[in-house]
Amino acid sequence: DTAVSQTPKYLVTQMGNDKSIKCEQNLGHDTMYWYKQDSKKFLKIMFSYNNKELIINETVPNRFSPKSPDKAHLNLHINSLELGDSAVYFCASSPGQGPHTGELFFGEGSRLTVL
Amino acid sequence: AQKITQTQPGMFVQEKEAVTLDCTYDTSDPSYGLFWYKQPSSGEMIFLIYQGSYDQQNATEGRYSLNFQKARKSANLVISASQLGDSAMYFCAMREAIFTNMGRRALTFGSGTRLQVQP
Repeated sequence: DTAVSQTPKYLVTQMGNDKSIKCEQNLGHDTMYWYKQDSKKFLKIMFSYNNKELIINETVPNRFSPKSPDKAHLNLHINSLELGDSAVYFCASSPGQGPHTGELFFGEGSRLTVL
Repeated sequence: AQKITQTQPGMFVQEKEAVTLDCTYDTSDPSYGLFWYKQPSSGEMIFLIYQGSYDQQNATEGRYSLNFQKARKSANLVISASQLGDSAMYFCAMREAIFTNMGRRALTFGSGTRLQVQP
């Protein structure tokens, strides 16, 4: 069973299009995240939700809109895609407590290519 | 300001030797956690090891150990007996305020070190 699953894994689209990436976790975690990994492999937090409430909203263009219908799901919708949006987008979740306080459990990543 | 610094963009090591990947961090929070993740060429992020700021002993997980020097704010990863499968990107990360406001802090990552293990 995949703990954190993202779909699609690969996404190729034209500039100006709108696309969504879906994420689901079956770990019972309260907190979910979206990270962006650029071409230089740098990982940057975009959003965080805790029990469906938006907690972290980093400086991200408002073309990016996260949605959390319940605490097991966190989707990312991107409007008017630009070339610079090409990246790998990682969904992650973390428990409220545990032996490794704050450990992130990552999905496999969704590679977005904007042409 | 950069919170996590990994100064080695790339490292080479011979198979079966030990290697140290450097990580320094910056925080004024007394309670924080330090993490190392591995990202092989297949792209997934694999958790390796964790060190809490109040932990008395350095963390170890199999061939991985964390050389935690709190006063110097460094948390270097040591991989013993390197294997070809250890070739990957390695990321150091930190979460602040680990005992409060858990959901309100994310992990901050360093820029990574690409390790190549040579036969």
